[in-house]
Amino acid sequence: EADIYQTPRYLVIGTGKKITLECSQTMGHDKMYWYQQDPGMELHLIHYSYGVNSTEKGDLSSESTVSRIRTEHFPLTLESARPSHTSQYLCASSDTRAGRGYTFGSGTRLTVV
Amino acid sequence: GESVGLHLPTLSVQEGDNSIINCAYSNSASDYFIWYKQESGKGPQFIIDIRSNMDKRQGQRVTVLLNKTVKHLSLQIAATQPGDSAVYFCAENYGGATNKLIFGTGTLLAVQP
Repeated sequence: EADIYQTPRYLVIGTGKKITLECSQTMGHDKMYWYQQDPGMELHLIHYSYGVNSTEKGDLSSESTVSRIRTEHFPLTLESARPSHTSQYLCASSDTRAGRGYTFGSGTRLTVV
Repeated sequence: GESVGLHLPTLSVQEGDNSIINCAYSNSASDYFIWYKQESGKGPQFIIDIRSNMDKRQGQRVTVLLNKTVKHLSLQIAATQPGDSAVYFCAENYGGATNKLIFGTGTLLAVQP
């Protein structure tokens, strides 16, 4: 079982609302990531963090923001949701020392109406 | 930028047959490669990895082959089972301690009973 948790699993929300997608991991991993994935498509990195108080934008431009105040917590926020934000958001973490790739959460399926 | 791509978007095999999923990568500096399996409604799961100083690595029913000369990666699944039906992604690490993975498009493996 993966020790990385995302909530909510599904979210339907109206345009203009502010939302926060939660991601927590209990493995003590230093690095965390957010990917955006449309159905059947590749994963696009939108944010990553190499440790507390460290955040970087990924390869795909995103209007979302992230924070990393604690090692285990990496929430993603959309200040004003739009239909173009409809997608699946996957959170992942990794341990540089282990070199075993990423552990992914189950994802949040976001629909903006 | 650099990208990882898959030759076949869909692969259909009979139960019990062996499956081979291929992946081409373009960054010769990549030093670490991973195969992930993603079932419907779930996040990607780690299957097997290989470092660039190896040609082959075997796991339980899975084998990854790396050909650095032609920048090609393959995943072989022996005695394919219905539970193997999923989308398979290859990912490459550009190198160093950044541990930043780039994912390919994905191949849908459909196992016919």
